[in-house]
This record gives sequence, structure tokens and C-alpha cells, in this order.
Amino acid sequence: GAGVSQSPSNKVTEKGKDVELRCDPISGHTALYWYRQSLGQGLEFLIYFQGNSAPDKSGLPSDRFSAERTGGSVSTLTIQRTQQEDSAVYLCASRPMTDSGNTIYFGEGSWLTVV
Amino acid sequence: QKEVEQDPGPLSVPEGAIVSLNCTYSNSAFQYFMWYRQYSRKGPELLMYTYSSGNKEDGRFTAQVDKSSKYISLFIRDSQPSDSATYLCAMRKTSYDKVIFGPGTSLSVIP
Repeated sequence: GAGVSQSPSNKVTEKGKDVELRCDPISGHTALYWYRQSLGQGLEFLIYFQGNSAPDKSGLPSDRFSAERTGGSVSTLTIQRTQQEDSAVYLCASRPMTDSGNTIYFGEGSWLTVV
Repeated sequence: QKEVEQDPGPLSVPEGAIVSLNCTYSNSAFQYFMWYRQYSRKGPELLMYTYSSGNKEDGRFTAQVDKSSKYISLFIRDSQPSDSATYLCAMRKTSYDKVIFGPGTSLSVIP
């Protein structure tokens, strides 16, 4: 596709359930980022992939959060046993390896509501 | 103290005004500085990028970086209602590091 694609765009889930959020980066982009944005808040870094490896996952808030990336392309962010404080927009972004500059391209986010 | 601080606003200005948006940061290792614009229910999009200290101009937008003061600014000239959005400053230490964002400033330009 032309841009970063995220699914689902909206998800309402019950507290305690697991959710999976998917990110399909721009074709050829080797770097992939996950951020979280709570209402009225800035972007909170979660994890960064270079290819299939995650050199920086320092932002994952707890062991309920995990992410993987396969084939250097699609990434999945999994939240286990969701809590109400997990309600936020989860944004994925990608960047090409050849761009030593700074343009990271964001998707439109997955809006998660835990009830 | 957060690594990147930004006044959240909201900031409301009349059409045609000059807008000044600012961020301060604490880590002197940051070298790459960016401004992103985010419209409601959309992902952020890159507006301006600056490496190290200095100024950069692009149309109605000017970005300034003062590393000695750990202070960056974005100026918008002749502001338009279409500029109404949240503006996020962002920075990173190296080309391949994670990007750290400020909390964003909400701007409304009133016709």
C-alpha cells in the first residue's frame, strides 16, 4: 500500500481480554516503531524494530505487552489481560533504512477502548 | 522531569497571526530535531527537520534550534485556519535511535 496500514482502526474490548494490533509498514521500510498516545497526551515510545529484531523495547509498560515482527514486514503488538489504563491510540510508524534523515511515516492508529 | 517539555496550550490566534511554538529538552545528546503536525484522529506527519543548531525555513514555516539553551522553536507566518492542529516537537540522538516526542501544543487559528 501507499502508507502505513494499521488494523483494527477501532477496538472495544472487555477488561481482562487479550488484543492484537497489526501494523503493515510501507514496503521496503526496515525500521518500525510502536507508540501509544493517550487522550490529550504526547506520543509514548513503546518499541522499535530494525528488521525482525528489537534493539529497543524499553518503552513497553509491562510484561502484558509484547510485539513481534516477521519477515521484516508486518508487526503485531499484543496486549494481554487488558486493563482500562491501556485505553489509548496505538500508532505504528516506519522508516526506510536508506533515509538517514528523519522522516518516519505514521499510520492512522488503532483506537483501543477497554471497558 | 520529562525529557522533552512543551506547553500544551490550547493556543488560539486570529488568521494571519505569527505563531510561535516552543520545546525545551534536557538531554544534550539530542542532535536531530523535528516538528510534526497532527490533525484530529490522524497520525502525525513530519513538517520540519533540523540537524544540530540553526534555522530552517520552508514556506510559511521556520524551525530554530538552539542547542546551547536546549530550546527549539517553530514559527508559522500568516497562519491559516487549516493550520489548526496539534504540533509535536520530536528529537533523537542518532540517525537510528528512537524518536522522543513532546506532549504537543494544540493550536486553533480563528478565521
